Amino acid sequence: KNQVEQSPQSLIILEGKNCTLQCNYTVSPFSNLRWYKQDTGRGPVSLTIMTFSENTKSNGRYTATLDADTKQSSLHITASQLSDSASYICVVSDRGSTLGRLYFGRGTQLTVWP
Amino acid sequence: EADIYQTPRYLVIGTGKKITLECSQTMGHDKMYWYQQDPGMELHLIHYSYGVNSTEKGDLSSESTVSRIRTEHFPLTLESARPSHTSQYLCASTGGTSYEQYFGPGTRLTVT
Repeated sequence: KNQVEQSPQSLIILEGKNCTLQCNYTVSPFSNLRWYKQDTGRGPVSLTIMTFSENTKSNGRYTATLDADTKQSSLHITASQLSDSASYICVVSDRGSTLGRLYFGRGTQLTVWP
Repeated sequence: EADIYQTPRYLVIGTGKKITLECSQTMGHDKMYWYQQDPGMELHLIHYSYGVNSTEKGDLSSESTVSRIRTEHFPLTLESARPSHTSQYLCASTGGTSYEQYFGPGTRLTVT
């Protein structure tokens, strides 16, 4: 069964600290993996997209890694800010159809305290 | 920020009413999607469209219907709203061969 599991479910950190969010997936075949940031009451916004051949990609203070062999990804946030408080969603796309079916994780709810 | 819009942003409506959730994008994208998301849960695909006059049901069974008469417009309709329809509805679009999927701000629907 194609699944995307994220951990931890929630995380609280102090402003300025770093954190790492995890994503494990069983989706096959694999096309790409995306990390989205979703603020409360808003739609998700893309942070990074990685294909099979990419194992790291950065977007400002966000760095995503991908290990396609172990089917694991992580999102590292450096020097956290209050505005980083949001849900971070891992999404995996398969290669099995023209739709490029997306499998969504439930997200990690990150809270940054001052 | 992506040019994809949803109205209304919030809607509280009584059981049995007919409602239409609007979604428009100005990016000329051919593919559009509707997702349903409950608090703390993953997004579920309920409808998608590859282009004008093309609509398909997604993975999650839904009593809603959609239409795609114009490229930029992908409205979702509930003929008779029920409390079980209470949820957040997110519209998204993708263009050409791009992997990037752009989401609208969502409509928070509450059926009393």
